[in-house]
Amino acid sequence: DIQMTQSPSSLSASVGDSVTITCRASQSVTKYVHWYQQRPGQAPKLLIYAASSVQRGVPPRFSGGGSDTHFTLAITGLQPEDFATYYCQQTHIPPRTFGQGTKVEVK
Amino acid sequence: QLQLHESGPGVVKPSETLSLTCTVSGGSIRRSEYFWGWIRQSPGRGLEWIGTIFYNGSSTYNPSLKNRVTLSVAASVNQFSLRLSSVTAADTAIYFCARRKESQKPWDYWGQGTLVAVSS
Repeated sequence: DIQMTQSPSSLSASVGDSVTITCRASQSVTKYVHWYQQRPGQAPKLLIYAASSVQRGVPPRFSGGGSDTHFTLAITGLQPEDFATYYCQQTHIPPRTFGQGTKVEVK
Repeated sequence: QLQLHESGPGVVKPSETLSLTCTVSGGSIRRSEYFWGWIRQSPGRGLEWIGTIFYNGSSTYNPSLKNRVTLSVAASVNQFSLRLSSVTAADTAIYFCARRKESQKPWDYWGQGTLVAVSS
């Protein structure tokens, strides 16, 4: 199985800060990495698909990039509702695996 | 607006079979461009894909669970189901049903999830 490794596992930030989360794949997944946000008690919500495409309805402060084995999720100007856990997922090679998550906490 | 809703027992005894159903509303499960799946989440395993099914019953499973998992679909009532046999404590998790489009697409709609505990 392809291993998806996120870093950091957690980070502390303040409202208005900009943060970047990294996801590395154990082998090339071309552009097929997607990012989800999960708030406590809720299901994951799709934010970014195919590395850099923003899902309809997601605020433009969220952006994604990367290809091959290295991907990033950036949040520019954190809002209170953005404090959550973020997951990457690859869908290039089955089984379609997820990263272990990055928790964005209030500083 | 598409909605998915999981239902089933919240507790299953060890060695028994876990059974869950996902009811889809606001859209037809028969749409040929969509696939339907199950994902679970636990502190130890994180998010783990279980399996995916098409409206005609064609299915794929995570190899790590393949011998114990069966997915089925009841298109006439817009439902699909999961059966996981011979459960152990390691199968305790929140189980989500979800939808995606064709191959390599992400899960774009999710149910709210249901917690299943394996306990005697």
